[in-house]
Amino acid sequence: DGGITQSPKYLFRKEGQNVTLSCEQNLNHDAMYWYRQDPGQGLRLIYYSQIVNDFQKGDIAEGYSVSREKKESFPLTVTSAQKNPTAFYLCASSMGGLAGVSSYNEQFFGPGTRLTVL
Amino acid sequence: AQRVTQPEKLLSVFKGAPVELKCNYSYSGSPELFWYVQYSRQRLQLLLRHISRESIKGFTADLNKGETSFHLKKPFAQEEDSAMYYCALKRGGKLIFGQGTELSVKP
Repeated sequence: DGGITQSPKYLFRKEGQNVTLSCEQNLNHDAMYWYRQDPGQGLRLIYYSQIVNDFQKGDIAEGYSVSREKKESFPLTVTSAQKNPTAFYLCASSMGGLAGVSSYNEQFFGPGTRLTVL
Repeated sequence: AQRVTQPEKLLSVFKGAPVELKCNYSYSGSPELFWYVQYSRQRLQLLLRHISRESIKGFTADLNKGETSFHLKKPFAQEEDSAMYYCALKRGGKLIFGQGTELSVKP
């Protein structure tokens, strides 16, 4: 393992608090992604970033925010506006993120962070 | 809208039996499809991609554009195949994942 790391492994938050999940990669990948994994719903894309200082909303961005100030880091903040934040969060990275650059856009995943709101 | 559907939440087979995990997609263009697998206590990882026409760990998947399907097959299931399997469709620089199918191979 290694290459892409997430911390912490488990996170507990009180209602009304913002919390930031860390994602770091040393694979020199341009693109990074955040997914939310819920039982029976698969993986849903929250935000993604194809290059430094740029990111786009995914399918369920409401209540979340991200930044991409460095190539190797893509932190996700779960804000108090997220109505149902308890979930398993997965970060991923890939060599290319732009459509058409490469068809072999394999995404490498981190170990995940389980967030529980108390 | 682009969508990936895995109709079975759970698939249970006995060791040595054939297995087929179903995946259907909706996409107007030329699709690029993948299967990802997550073994217990391990990270989600790529299993195979349709464009490579490869067989990984005995698994194959054929793209059927007429039926808009990309089913994952293995002729003889092994206990170590027990895992969560996700079908995914590439859309631009992103992946759309299905709901996932848990495969349980019993001894």
